[in-house]
Amino acid sequence: NAGVTQTPKFRILKIGQSMTLQCTQDMNHNYMYWYRQDPGMGLKLIYYSVGAGITDKGEVPNGYNVSRSTTEDFPLRLELAAPSQTSVYFCASSYPGGEQFFGPGTRLTVL
Amino acid sequence: GIQVEQSPPDLILQEGANSTLRCNFSDSVNNLQWFHQNPWGQLINLFYIPSGTKQNGRLSATTVATERYSLLYISSSQTTDSGVYFCAAVYNQGGKLIFGQGTELSVKP
Repeated sequence: NAGVTQTPKFRILKIGQSMTLQCTQDMNHNYMYWYRQDPGMGLKLIYYSVGAGITDKGEVPNGYNVSRSTTEDFPLRLELAAPSQTSVYFCASSYPGGEQFFGPGTRLTVL
Repeated sequence: GIQVEQSPPDLILQEGANSTLRCNFSDSVNNLQWFHQNPWGQLINLFYIPSGTKQNGRLSATTVATERYSLLYISSSQTTDSGVYFCAAVYNQGGKLIFGQGTELSVKP
């Protein structure tokens, strides 16, 4: 099993550009999550999904959108990128109430 | 709001020393996890431990849910143990992890 995979690993965006961060898991987990980690801080939840077609906001959802059309994939969309979105983005998955497993992260810089 | 607090914020050890990291949480938890974030930024699962004690090699963890704290023990530390240790707690059915600020560990040879 590859576990949780994320692409790209690194990206530099200009202010106002948009992009999609990809996340795929092969563990057949119902639950998937997007977190961001700012320098020197713990992770904060952006959005999560409890199954295909169901998504909900986390602690810091502004400036992001998500969709969940399949069990495996949970892409995160950034519209109109801003310098405040410079961060490392982690995707995770789990069974309901179970241990969460994280992908390797995407390091995003907005200039 | 719900809080997860870790101590100490940073720790410097000589190789071979033992250490204890603490995580306090402000309410009853459904799930508690410990992670190691290595110097390359990768998050490595250490323990899934909502209550009780678990051991994995030189590492062990204990969660006392009734007193709202968890401890991570590292014995005979090695330079590869360096990095940031996070605890994170889940308080509801949605599975959302609330992370502490981390303990940054540096193990010197």
